[in-house]
Amino acid sequence: DAGVTQSPTHLIKTRGQQVTLRCSPKSGHDTVSWYQQALGQGPQFIFQYYEEEERQRGNFPDRFSGHQFPNYSSELNVNALLLGDSALYLCASSWGTRRETQYFGPGTRLLVL
Amino acid sequence: QKEVEQDPGPLSVPEGAIVSLNCTYSNSAFQYFMWYRQYSRKGPELLMYTYSSGNKEDGRFTAQVDKSSKYISLFIRDSQPSDSATYLCAMETYNQGGKLIFGQGTELSVKP
Repeated sequence: DAGVTQSPTHLIKTRGQQVTLRCSPKSGHDTVSWYQQALGQGPQFIFQYYEEEERQRGNFPDRFSGHQFPNYSSELNVNALLLGDSALYLCASSWGTRRETQYFGPGTRLLVL
Repeated sequence: QKEVEQDPGPLSVPEGAIVSLNCTYSNSAFQYFMWYRQYSRKGPELLMYTYSSGNKEDGRFTAQVDKSSKYISLFIRDSQPSDSATYLCAMETYNQGGKLIFGQGTELSVKP
């Protein structure tokens, strides 16, 4: 079992650009959550997808959007990048709302210049 | 004020020491409490999961929840250099379905 996988591992963008990050959940998991982790901080919840719909959303602007595909994989899109968007973006998958089953991927490190 | 407060450290201890890591919180609706370990350049890994108040033990790790004081702890016995990592507490209310609120994380270093 490969666990949660994310791509790319690293990414460098410039302000104003758009970025798409990808996540494949752990086998058997149907729910995907995205978190942003700034350097030296704990992860902050962005949103969660279940049955291809956004089920919950944290305190992030509309520049952050996502999608879940029928195979449960997910994408995180960020438009009009700001310097402050530089962070580690973590994807977590779980079986429904079973929080104790939530596994995190290794993350995508985004640097905005 | 943040919902979850955690001392960022860093905390340095000798091998074999007992480590105590703590978080305080302000939201009395939190019902689920978790501790994650995060190695450098890796994603968080779930260590302990508890529901409501009480203690839970798993090997060298013990998690304690005191809801009356809004205070949770993680104890690591016989600490090893391999325990060197950042430890994150996380919490969730009953109906949030996986929306975790994390502390800042405490950086722990166990010296041989």
